[in-house]
Amino acid sequence: AQSVSQHNHHVILSEAASLELGCNYSYGGTVNLFWYVQYPGQHLQLLLKYFSGDPLVKGIKGFEAEFIKSKFSFNLRKPSVQWSDTAEYFCAVNEGGGSQGNLIFGKGTKLSVKP
Amino acid sequence: DAGVIQSPRHEVTEMGQEVTLRCKPISGHNSLFWYRQTMMRGLELLIYFNNNVPIDDSGMPEDRFSAKMPNASFSTLKIQPSEPRDSAVYFCASSTNRGYQPQHFGDGTRLSIL
Repeated sequence: AQSVSQHNHHVILSEAASLELGCNYSYGGTVNLFWYVQYPGQHLQLLLKYFSGDPLVKGIKGFEAEFIKSKFSFNLRKPSVQWSDTAEYFCAVNEGGGSQGNLIFGKGTKLSVKP
Repeated sequence: DAGVIQSPRHEVTEMGQEVTLRCKPISGHNSLFWYRQTMMRGLELLIYFNNNVPIDDSGMPEDRFSAKMPNASFSTLKIQPSEPRDSAVYFCASSTNRGYQPQHFGDGTRLSIL
């Protein structure tokens, strides 16, 4: 069965620090990869997605993620975080190849940015 | 564009009562998902539908939980009887049938069972 691992449960950074959140998945076939963000008290919103093409994907609010197939990883990065980036971040994966299926979420990483 | 609409936003009820959560997906979306989010277990998929048909309900915790999608624009998640451990935020999400398209989430229903 597929699974998604997010290694950091809680990350605390100061403003302007660089961010990298790890995400690894366990599935050998073609995958679609997503990062979602959940601001306090709100619903999940899509940050970025990868399904084919350039493995470096740029999303909203200055976030990017790199798909490294050999490492089964899709880490999220931002060069300089802001206080408003305080949120929980979820990595998710489903099988590629077309049909919408079960989206497997990681446990999430809470990011706290100190002003 | 209207997003995924869930109701109610908050529900507080006593254990043993029946609870019904409602979801209206985005028009044109063929897939609908019900999730439960708790501090302990994170985000869990309960069930999802493609074209109104339940595809995978393996995440439904037990027989007390049931979900229906009578048409393309409406789904319900019912808990009967409810228990305190069902307290959570329940999210509905919808998407097209294409796997590379993201799911769009509703604002959730915060359920508290006393």
